[in-house]
Formats: sequence, C-alpha cells, structure tokens
Amino acid sequence: AQKITQTQPGMFVQEKEAVTLDCTYDTSDPSYGLFWYKQPSSGEMIFLIYQGSYDQQNATEGRYSLNFQKARKSANLVISASQLGDSAMYFCAMRGRGSTLGRLYFGRGTQLTVWP
Amino acid sequence: DAGITQSPRHKVTETGTPVTLRCHQTENHRYMYWYRQDPGHGLRLIHYSYGVKDTDKGEVSDGYSVSRSKTEDFLLTLESATSSQTSVYFCAIQQGNSGNTIYFGEGSWLTVV
Repeated sequence: AQKITQTQPGMFVQEKEAVTLDCTYDTSDPSYGLFWYKQPSSGEMIFLIYQGSYDQQNATEGRYSLNFQKARKSANLVISASQLGDSAMYFCAMRGRGSTLGRLYFGRGTQLTVWP
Repeated sequence: DAGITQSPRHKVTETGTPVTLRCHQTENHRYMYWYRQDPGHGLRLIHYSYGVKDTDKGEVSDGYSVSRSKTEDFLLTLESATSSQTSVYFCAIQQGNSGNTIYFGEGSWLTVV
C-alpha cells in the first residue's frame, strides 16, 4: 500500500527566502507519480508540480521545484524566493497505477507561514 | 482552470436526510474522483469513475454512492447523512490517460446537524 509522510506540521520562512517542505513515501510499485498541492485559507486545492518515478530530472515549475531522491524515497518541495501569498497548507500526494492511475494518497500536510 | 464546477458549494442538512453533491466538468475527461477532507487529514478517496456508468470504491466509501450517467457529471449521494459525514468534499478530474495532471474542484462544504 502507498503511504505518504509529511513530518513538518508547520514551517515558517521569511519573505524572499527559500524553504523546503519534506515528503517521504513508501510504495512497492516500480512506477508511480508524486504531486504537490497548495491549499490556501480559501480552501481550494491548487496543483503545483508533478514528478514521475522514471523522470531523470527534478521537476520545476516557476518558483517551485521538486527535490526527488528516489533511493531515499523522498520528494521534497522547494519554494524559492517566498512570497506572502505562499502562506498556505501544502500537501504531498502519490498516485497509484493502472486502472487507479489518478487515485491519490495524501500526506497530512504542512502549514507554511511566510512572514515579512 | 480545469472546467470543474461543484454544487452546492455549501450545505447544511439534518441527520438522516439524503444529500447529493454534483461535480460537473466541461472538458470531456474520462476519469473523475470524489474525495473528502477532514481536519488533520489529507484528502481521502471516496469513489471514482473511469467512464460513463463505470465506478468503483475508494478507501472511505461506506455510506456513499455515486452515479455517472453522462461524461460531464459525477454525482455523490449520501443516502442518509450522519454527523460523521460533515466534511469538505472535493471532486477531481484526471487530464488524459497518463495520470500526470489531476485537478480539483473548489470543494463543497457539508455540515450534518
């Protein structure tokens, strides 16, 4: 069974600094995908970034990058140059495969607070 | 914007009443999902659909049923609502067949009193 662990309930970072949000996972599938979502206080779930298990390079999307370390089963999200609007809950998730390809397993989230 | 609309966005209902949440998509995606989110948890899968009239259970399906009679609509029904079903419900769609892009609707806040 897939399992996602986010060990940081809360993180604080000063504006313009970089921050890393941790995510470790456990799966026996050779093919899997990892996602990060942002959930601001308004409640919607915003897709940030995706990393496939066979991707050779770490995924990047603007100020977001995913530090993928396959051997350590970690998929940390790095946010560069933090902004006040980055304050939100961040969820790491892993998808299944086959007929359940889009089925996601979520961690419990990390609450990020960006201060001026 | 992945063209996902959830309705109602907010609802308060009484214990024992039936409730139906609707997820509507405009982009003809094959795969659709219903999740619930509770305090201290990430999202957990209730049911999913891989085509018209093709649905299956997720990890927290007890007390819920779904229907998909046309591609654009995926309905979640609580046959007899209980207080434990007070939650935020999210619909999701999968773009394409690769499973690399999954978007969520804005959520439906349901309170069962």
